[in-house]
Amino acid sequence: EEQLVESGGGFVQPGGSLRLSCTASGFSFRHYAVSWVRQAPGKGLEWISYIRTSTNTIYYADSVRGRFTISRDSAEDSLHLQMNSLRAEDTAVYYCARDWGDFINGCFDNWGQGTLITVSS
Amino acid sequence: QSALTQPASVSGSPGQSITISCTGSNSDVVDYNYVSWYQQHPGKAPKLIIYDVASRPSGVSNRFSGSKSGNTASLTISWLQADDEADYYCSSYTSSNSRVFGSGTKVTVL
Repeated sequence: EEQLVESGGGFVQPGGSLRLSCTASGFSFRHYAVSWVRQAPGKGLEWISYIRTSTNTIYYADSVRGRFTISRDSAEDSLHLQMNSLRAEDTAVYYCARDWGDFINGCFDNWGQGTLITVSS
Repeated sequence: QSALTQPASVSGSPGQSITISCTGSNSDVVDYNYVSWYQQHPGKAPKLIIYDVASRPSGVSNRFSGSKSGNTASLTISWLQADDEADYYCSSYTSSNSRVFGSGTKVTVL
């Protein structure tokens, strides 16, 4: 079964940093793109970042550009989201989602269970 | 990039059909036939139910169908069942090289 698992969530103070990880079973990130999508408590979904390592293609939403960095660890075949300068409005459940297709015609066909980030003083 | 516009809630009785709209603009829904739809039950991760406007992934019930006209994409759920009660989100590529989701619609089965 193809699965994604996120880890690294937790509680952090405003201005702090956190690194999320996403690991896959049943498939390799070498062959797929992955996006991070977040959902603030009681709110809707927000796409925040995309990576396709085979073409070195990376995109960010305006809300996180310059603060978040997406990357892949090829040795461990895992993905990471380095989050710096965190703000209260970054509080959300963060999902990694397999991004099927190209960035233009893609869709999120497999999702992890999500990991909660709480930014608060 | 503003969220695509969806009605906050839609309801129907078992066996009925309901339609959820997703309104965008020239920079997303109008210019790209890559609208996808997701179903999210409370406390769960979203699940892909429609991609490329009207295609269904393997394993998704044919009671779910998608369409698009102009700046509005639509998801129709036929023969409504209790398990269809969930939140539904549309999504599209945008010309600013990003992805955008709809505001979300809560479906209630009466």
